[in-house]
Amino acid sequence: NAGVTQTPKFRVLKTGQSMTLLCAQDMNHEYMYWYRQDPGMGLRLIHYSVGEGTTAKGEVPDGYNVSRLKKQNFLLGLESAAPSQTSVYFCASSRTDLGRRTYEQYFGPGTRLTVT
Amino acid sequence: AQKVTQAQTEISVVEKEDVTLDCVYETRDTTYYLFWYKQPPSGELVFLIRRNSFDEQNEISGRYSWNFQKSTSSFNFTITASQVVDSAVYFCALSEAEGGSYIPTFGRGTSLIVHP
Repeated sequence: NAGVTQTPKFRVLKTGQSMTLLCAQDMNHEYMYWYRQDPGMGLRLIHYSVGEGTTAKGEVPDGYNVSRLKKQNFLLGLESAAPSQTSVYFCASSRTDLGRRTYEQYFGPGTRLTVT
Repeated sequence: AQKVTQAQTEISVVEKEDVTLDCVYETRDTTYYLFWYKQPPSGELVFLIRRNSFDEQNEISGRYSWNFQKSTSSFNFTITASQVVDSAVYFCALSEAEGGSYIPTFGRGTSLIVHP
């Protein structure tokens, strides 16, 4: 089992460029998440998905789009990158109980993105 | 109001000292889960423990122990005889169904620095 993988690990973009971050999990988890982590800010939820074909906004969704066409993949897109999007991005997945409360999350290794 | 409060932003100790990381949560759900995660300097986020709201037994795993007290809505984490390898940011998180949101809520994290 690879767990949760993220591609790429590092990326440098110029302002205005676009890119897609790919997250894949092999644990058959229903829920998947994208977070960003900035110094002193903890983890902030960007978007999440509770199942294939569904996505929802988190705490800081502006400037990002997501898609979950397959259960195992969750893509995060930046259409026009801005320096404020310089951050470390983490993907995570989890299963849930019968009441839809999430169990523990498994995180990918992170993607360090710099926008100049 | 924060649902998960980690009031200690940073703790600094000398090796072999015991240290307790505090976590206070807020929920009206009767069934919920509490978690601790570790983020060492290498950056990955590692799941440490899940506690079910119905199970108030304390847990011990080697030098790590967790004290769950529903009466004070706290889920504190103690490291006994700390080591340099314990240096990390530790996050407490809550998973509940209150308000129809099934997404975990994270505290802001406590940075633990263990000096040799």
